[in-house]
Amino acid sequence: GNSVTQMEGPVTLSEEAFLTINCTYTATGYPSLFWYVQYPGEGLQLLLKATKADDKGSNKGFEATYRKETTSFHLEKGSVQVSDSAVYFCALRYSNSGYALNFGKGTSLLVTP
Amino acid sequence: GAVVSQHPSRVICKSGTSVKIECRSLDFQATTMFWYRQFPKQSLMLMATSNEGSKATYEQGVEKDKFLINHASLTLSTLTVTSAHPEDSSFYICSARDVGNEKLFFGSGTQLSVL
Repeated sequence: GNSVTQMEGPVTLSEEAFLTINCTYTATGYPSLFWYVQYPGEGLQLLLKATKADDKGSNKGFEATYRKETTSFHLEKGSVQVSDSAVYFCALRYSNSGYALNFGKGTSLLVTP
Repeated sequence: GAVVSQHPSRVICKSGTSVKIECRSLDFQATTMFWYRQFPKQSLMLMATSNEGSKATYEQGVEKDKFLINHASLTLSTLTVTSAHPEDSSFYICSARDVGNEKLFFGSGTQLSVL
């Protein structure tokens, strides 16, 4: 079946460090891929997405590229800030799934000053 | 931006009681809402898809008689955990799809602890 695997957390980084959170997926066909972020006490928010191979999603300095050959959608940011501390979820969705998402387990990120 | 209000954020109940969780879209209409559950260190798992005015569609392995879903209006869906047991303790999150732009918005979740 379809599944998403993302790296275990928590991840702790110093401010301005480079961030990578790995995400790989198992799926048939060509799903859309997403990264969601959940800040403390808030709901999940869409961070970025990519709908086809080689697409790059980007937002707020974060980016991720849809790699079909490696079935990956790794999240990166060149210089993290304390305000980026949150839980990050990788997810996939098929267009015929009625907008339901398959999520990874989430990766907690803590950025220290 | 659009907001989904989920209430309560945390609930502790005794085994055998029922708990209702509300999911409300505050400034948009949602014909479809999704209910997810997350056990510790596990993924968010889709439990059911709730369509306004019709019966919910449950994922395999989710007991529809235990997890009652009502989506009586375009802005409100409720999940009732009936006769809750400790194994139902989990984090429940709802998601609503905006009819106008088909975007998905999430509630902040409900942590249910059954003693």
